Amino acid sequence: EVQLVESGGGLVQPGGSLRLSCAGSGFTLSSFYMGWVRQPPGKGLEWVAHIKEYGSETFYVDHVKGRFTISRDDAKNLLYLQMNSLRAEDTALYYCVRHAQDWGQGTLVTVSS
Amino acid sequence: DVVMTQSPLSLPVTLGQPASISCRSSQSLVHIDGNTYFSWFQQRPGQSPRRLTYKVSNRDSGVPDRFSGSGSGTDFTLKISRVEADDAAIYYCMQHTHWPHTFGQGTKVEIK
Repeated sequence: EVQLVESGGGLVQPGGSLRLSCAGSGFTLSSFYMGWVRQPPGKGLEWVAHIKEYGSETFYVDHVKGRFTISRDDAKNLLYLQMNSLRAEDTALYYCVRHAQDWGQGTLVTVSS
Repeated sequence: DVVMTQSPLSLPVTLGQPASISCRSSQSLVHIDGNTYFSWFQQRPGQSPRRLTYKVSNRDSGVPDRFSGSGSGTDFTLKISRVEADDAAIYYCMQHTHWPHTFGQGTKVEIK
C-alpha cells in the first residue's frame, strides 16, 4: 500500500526557514514524479513544486522560485522541500503528492511573528 | 499560466439526483505526446484530496462508477449520476499538461 507521511511543519517567523520531509512507503520514490501542493487555511489548492522521476529536473511556481528547493534522497525514499525566506502568504497545509494520484495527510506551516 | 475556471462554485443537490460540474481551461490541455493531463479531485471536510479521474475520463481504483469524467481540449465535465450523502465535498479540477500545474477554484457540493 502506498503511504506518504509528511513532517517538519511548524510556526516560523517571517524570513525564517523550514525543511519539510515526506517519507514514502510501498513504492520507490525515485520512479515517480513527486510534488508538493499547498492549501492555505480555508482556501484552494496550489501546486508549488515537483521533481521528475529518475532524474533531478525540478519545477517551481514563480512566487517560490529562488526560495524553495525540492529534492530527494533515493536511498532513504524521502522527498524534501527546503523553504527559505518564508512569508506570511506561505502559510498553508503542505501535501506531498505522488504522480498527482496519492496524497499525504499534510504538514502545517505557519509563518507569523 | 493556464487558468482553470469551474462552475458552479456552489452546487446544492438532492440525494439520488444527478450533479454536474464544469471546468474550462484558458488553453488546450492536449500535450505534445497526445495525452490530455486533466484530473478531478474530491476533498471531504478535514481530509486530503482524493483523485477521482485522470486523463479526462479514467476512474481511479475504488472510485464508484456513478462518477464520470468527460471532455476534450478546453472543456471538461464531472458528472455524478446519483448523489449520495458521502459525496458532500469540494471538487477540484486540475491540469498537469502545462507547467505550472493549476487547479480550479473548487466547487462545493452540498446535500439539500
